[in-house]
Amino acid sequence: GQNIDQPTEMTATEGAIVQINCTYQTSGFNGLFWYQQHAGEAPTFLSYNVLDGLEEKGRFSSFLSRSKGYSYLLLKELQMKDSASYLCAVRDGRRNAGNMLTFGGGTRLMVKP
Amino acid sequence: DTGVSQNPRHKITKRGQNVTFRCDPISEHNRLYWYRQTLGQGPEFLTYFQNEAQLEKSRLLSDRFSAERPKGSFSTLEIQRTEQGDSAMYLCAPKRELEDGELFFGEGSRLTVL
Repeated sequence: GQNIDQPTEMTATEGAIVQINCTYQTSGFNGLFWYQQHAGEAPTFLSYNVLDGLEEKGRFSSFLSRSKGYSYLLLKELQMKDSASYLCAVRDGRRNAGNMLTFGGGTRLMVKP
Repeated sequence: DTGVSQNPRHKITKRGQNVTFRCDPISEHNRLYWYRQTLGQGPEFLTYFQNEAQLEKSRLLSDRFSAERPKGSFSTLEIQRTEQGDSAMYLCAPKRELEDGELFFGEGSRLTVL
């Protein structure tokens, strides 16, 4: 099975940098995803890592270490609109699992002025 | 534009009633996934289709739940004899089989069972 852990809540200040951690234990691994979800809306895709290292996309970066079962999402130059939940998800590596993702419970980020 | 339409967007029903949600991908996608998300939790996998074949079902999908994809295009998710614990957002995500990478979710159908 899959077990994914991330902090429940975080608070940060506008303009600052915040790092949201995610640890996972899986029976099979085929990629790690980060999604952003504003209240009342569906999750929207942010980033995808399948190999170790850092993927940068504008103000957002995501890091993966497969040997440690660890990822983080880094948000720079925080804006008020970044207040949302951030979901870490692992894709099942089993052959018949298709694109099945297992999600963590999400980290609710509050950005304060 | 996520390339998928879900209806209805909101449904309020009384306990014991049946409800049906529909997912319409805008273009051809071999695969289609259903997820459920309860308040304060991450989405949970329910089931997925490859064309019209339902290839995997989560144990969350009790016998009150049934999903179909009759022509390999749109899909329906029916919940019979709804319970308050069924209150959640039901999310659909279509995908082309050979595409790597992310799932794009539709806007979801929010169910409230009174």
